[in-house]
Amino acid sequence: QVQLRESGPGLVKPSQTLSLTCTVSGASISRGTYYWTWIRQPAGKTLEWIGRIYPTGTTNYNPSLKSRVIISVDTSRNQFFLKLSSVTAADTAVYYCARDRTYSVDVWGKGTTVTVS
Amino acid sequence: DIQMTQSPSSLSASMGDRITITCRASRDINNYLNWYQQKPGKAPNLLIYSASTLQTGVPSRFSGSGSGTDFTLTIGSLQPEDFATYFCQQTYNTPFTFGPGTTVDV
Repeated sequence: QVQLRESGPGLVKPSQTLSLTCTVSGASISRGTYYWTWIRQPAGKTLEWIGRIYPTGTTNYNPSLKSRVIISVDTSRNQFFLKLSSVTAADTAVYYCARDRTYSVDVWGKGTTVTVS
Repeated sequence: DIQMTQSPSSLSASMGDRITITCRASRDINNYLNWYQQKPGKAPNLLIYSASTLQTGVPSRFSGSGSGTDFTLTIGSLQPEDFATYFCQQTYNTPFTFGPGTTVDV
């Protein structure tokens, strides 16, 4: 059974860089035809797609965040990563990592709350 | 970006009710439409993909339909565990966008 788990600081200061790790278990990131995705959700609001990465390193980013986002992958550690720079209070949210089967997200992590303050 | 809208934003229902939630895309997305259920404090859960295909393990009381710009999610007979928030998502173009959600409560 595939499981994803987010980890990283729960509190980030304004203007600094938010860094999160997603650890995948039960499946190899480098196998299959999946993208590995980051999605966030501010409290009480809808979900926002941040971007995704294919095991080869190909990425797609949300243009609204593109200048500040880097998603990377380490297939040897079965992990992928999110870096979001120059954060503000508007970046406070629950951040989810997830598996994307190209056209739908079928496995989600439990989410991690990041507060910018 | 493709904008997604949902109606209603919330609805009150009772166990055993049949309910329908509507999702509309700002342009033609063929059938690249997914539905997710989210309960408070939990991650979303995929219910329906490609507009009408039931995800493995999801009860058959859930169904989806539509193509182009207009889509519906129907719950045939509400069960206690169905009281939650439902989101649609388009995956026709990046950035993949979600609707604002529909909360189903008692």
